[in-house]
Amino acid sequence: DAKTTQPPSMDCAEGRAANLPCNHSTISGNEYVYWYRQIHSQGPQYIIHGLKNNETNEMASLIITEDRKSSTLILPHATLRDTAVYYCIVRVYDGQNFVFGPGTRLSVLP
Amino acid sequence: GAVVSQHPSRVICKSGTSVKIECRSLDFQATTMFWYRQFPKQSLMLMATSNEGSKATYEQGVEKDKFLINHASLTLSTLTVTSAHPEDSSFYICSAKTATIPHTFGSGTRLTVV
Repeated sequence: DAKTTQPPSMDCAEGRAANLPCNHSTISGNEYVYWYRQIHSQGPQYIIHGLKNNETNEMASLIITEDRKSSTLILPHATLRDTAVYYCIVRVYDGQNFVFGPGTRLSVLP
Repeated sequence: GAVVSQHPSRVICKSGTSVKIECRSLDFQATTMFWYRQFPKQSLMLMATSNEGSKATYEQGVEKDKFLINHASLTLSTLTVTSAHPEDSSFYICSAKTATIPHTFGSGTRLTVV
């Protein structure tokens, strides 16, 4: 599996966009980029995933660079409830387990 | 969307006893379920992969005789921590997936062994 690198922590003001980066320079052509988040003492929650095109859903947008070596998760209007650890995971679509790195601890500040 | 239910959400047990944790996929049939463990301020660590009707595959360093996994149906997997000790205290999380549904996680079980 491709290894991912994320900043350990970030702050974001409430109501502003939160942009969380992820580097995955060794990603393979058939590997997707998945984003999950984990709010304290809960199981991880699926946010979004993509292969090479940018993706958007009701929770977030995923921007993947053209060379696919990095991506950015965008929460357009962060709220206090978005405070969580965000995990970027690279995996083939029908692959088995996920390998979790340390993620990025996002703190949304009032 | 897909929902995975995990029960109980928290349990306290005495050292030497066994504890069973259930993981159910509520609205889909999961051919594969996964069990993770998470210690405080650490990331999730995969313990085992559970396929319906076959023996679980354990990660290196995870004792299969201590962490018994049963995946008897397409909607239920159980993890039994046998002869629990205080060092087994942790947050246990399951997940389930299909070919078209991404990994969906349960809400986790906080196990405290006293």
